[in-house]
Amino acid sequence: AQTVTQSQPEMSVQEAETVTLSCTYDTSENNYYLFWYKQPPSRQMILVIRQEAYKQQNATENRFSVNFQKAAKSFSLKISDSQLGDTAMYFCAFGWSNTGKLIFGQGTTLQVKP
Amino acid sequence: GAGVSQTPSNKVTEKGKYVELRCDPISGHTALYWYRQSLGQGPEFLIYFQGTGAADDSGLPNDRFFAVRPEGSVSTLKIQRTERGDSAVYLCASSLTKAGGFPNEQFFGPGTRLTVL
Repeated sequence: AQTVTQSQPEMSVQEAETVTLSCTYDTSENNYYLFWYKQPPSRQMILVIRQEAYKQQNATENRFSVNFQKAAKSFSLKISDSQLGDTAMYFCAFGWSNTGKLIFGQGTTLQVKP
Repeated sequence: GAGVSQTPSNKVTEKGKYVELRCDPISGHTALYWYRQSLGQGPEFLIYFQGTGAADDSGLPNDRFFAVRPEGSVSTLKIQRTERGDSAVYLCASSLTKAGGFPNEQFFGPGTRLTVL
């Protein structure tokens, strides 16, 4: 069975600094997708970034980038120039290539301090 | 355009009662998902619809839970004989489906917070 593990329940970072959130997963699949979602207190889940497992190049979206290590089954999220609006819970998720079903990690609460 | 909407936003019920939770996906999205999120946890997959049919209902915890999507748009999650352990936020998401069936970005609704007393 696929599992997703986020080992950091809580993180904090000063505004404008860089922070990295960790995620590891376990699967026997070869084709899959990985995602980072942000969930602010409003409960609305927002997609931050996605990575196709068959692509070696790490995905980047503005201040957000990932470090995808397929052999190590690791998928960390780096947030550069942290902003107060980045304060939220962040979830790592695994998705199959033939269905949209997602398996989420336990989440990391990120607090950006002024 | 409008995003995924869910009604009600909050629902309080008594143990043993029946509840229905509604999800309106983004227009044109053929795939629809239900997840359950307990306090402090990540969302847990319940069921996935492709069009009108349930393509994967492996996450439904037991036969008290049932979901329908009769016209391939709006979906209703139905919970019979509610128990206190059913208390959670129920999230709905929708996505387009590319040719070939590869998953697209899932757009989530704000969720329905269900409290069973």
